[in-house]
Amino acid sequence: AQSVAQPEDQVNVAEGNPLTVKCTYSVSGNPYLFWYVQYPNRGLQFLLKYITGDNLVKGSYGFEAEFNKSQTSFHLKKPSALVSDSALYFCAVRPGSSNTGKLIFGQGTTLQVKP
Amino acid sequence: SQTIHQWPATLVQPVGSPLSLECTVEGTSNPNLYWYRQAAGRGLQLLFYSVGIGQISSEVPQNLSASRPQDRQFILSSKKLLLSDSGFYLCAWSVPSPNIQYFGAGTRLSVL
Repeated sequence: AQSVAQPEDQVNVAEGNPLTVKCTYSVSGNPYLFWYVQYPNRGLQFLLKYITGDNLVKGSYGFEAEFNKSQTSFHLKKPSALVSDSALYFCAVRPGSSNTGKLIFGQGTTLQVKP
Repeated sequence: SQTIHQWPATLVQPVGSPLSLECTVEGTSNPNLYWYRQAAGRGLQLLFYSVGIGQISSEVPQNLSASRPQDRQFILSSKKLLLSDSGFYLCAWSVPSPNIQYFGAGTRLSVL
């Protein structure tokens, strides 16, 4: 079965420290990979995507993610966390075989950045 | 530029009442459209998606239905709401290039 796993319900980090939010996937074909962020009572905002090319992709608000095909991972990273980065983060994948644009979402990871 | 509108923002309905949530997209043509439900601020469950007018695919059996009467309009409905229909409903759209789903602001539905 095709799936996305975010193994951590919550990640705590101090402001100014680097952060990593983990994501692994299991899908057929060459996947399209995405990260979204959600603030309380709001819709999801697109952060970044990987389709092909350089394994390190840069996105909005200083976030980046590294695609690792051998480990089937797509971890979200930021060199220096801000308190305003505190939110719910979702990893999502579109199987390579899909022609409907449907995404498979992970369960989400709450990022808490403390001052 | 493209925008997505979703309303109402919040809704409180009694059990057994009907439901109609509307989503419209501006600035693009023939988008794929999606309805999701998010329970307890966590994972997203895809309810319906549509690749064209009148074309609706249901992902899970449930008390809800969807319709796409116009190219950029997607409606989520129910004839009789259940308590379990409470949640945060999100509409999204995408086009093949760049194949990114963009989300509306969501509707918080409370069924009492």
